[in-house]
Amino acid sequence: GQSLEQPSEVTAVEGAIVQINCTYQTSGFYGLSWYQQHDGGAPTFLSYNALDGLEETGRFSSFLSRSDSYGYLLLQELQMKDSASYFCAVREGSYKLIFGSGTRLLVRP
Amino acid sequence: EAGVTQFPSHSVIEKGQTVTLRCDPISGHDNLYWYRRVMGKEIKFLLHFVKESKQDESGMPNNRFLAERTGGTYSTLKVQPAELEDSGVYFCASSQDVERISEQYFGPGTRLTVT
Repeated sequence: GQSLEQPSEVTAVEGAIVQINCTYQTSGFYGLSWYQQHDGGAPTFLSYNALDGLEETGRFSSFLSRSDSYGYLLLQELQMKDSASYFCAVREGSYKLIFGSGTRLLVRP
Repeated sequence: EAGVTQFPSHSVIEKGQTVTLRCDPISGHDNLYWYRRVMGKEIKFLLHFVKESKQDESGMPNNRFLAERTGGTYSTLKVQPAELEDSGVYFCASSQDVERISEQYFGPGTRLTVT
């Protein structure tokens, strides 16, 4: 079957670093994406990893290990506005995204 | 550049009624997707259009759901007749081309409540 596992909630303080893990089991794999969603808003694309390794975009980095079926999103210098839900999503076929159930990140002052 | 827009933002209907959701993708995006998030669950793929053609509708729950994309521009998703389990947030997304197909731009969603 298809499944993506990520923690349901993570809490961290402003200025800290937080890592959100994602393990997956899918019938196909082209790459791993991360999306951010604020309450009531649209999921927003953050990053995509097709190959093993770390991709850095500003304060956010994403890592993929295809052999371990594992990836993570790293958020540095946390800000209050980073409080949101974060979804990992596997690109299973040429276009289809399979989403995890999301990790709710709460940033405290 | 205008983002993906969806209408309405909220819809409350009674079981057995019909509802039509609309999605306007980003101009120039040939790929259009519908997803759904039922309360507390993950976002699930419903179907994918390339221009006006349905490429994959394997995620459509049943034949009460009908999606169209007239002229390869906006898309509609009709639910007829609606059932209680259809309640959730329906998202539309679009992407530019095959090379950037992983970067899907989502609309704010339509929250559908069936009572």
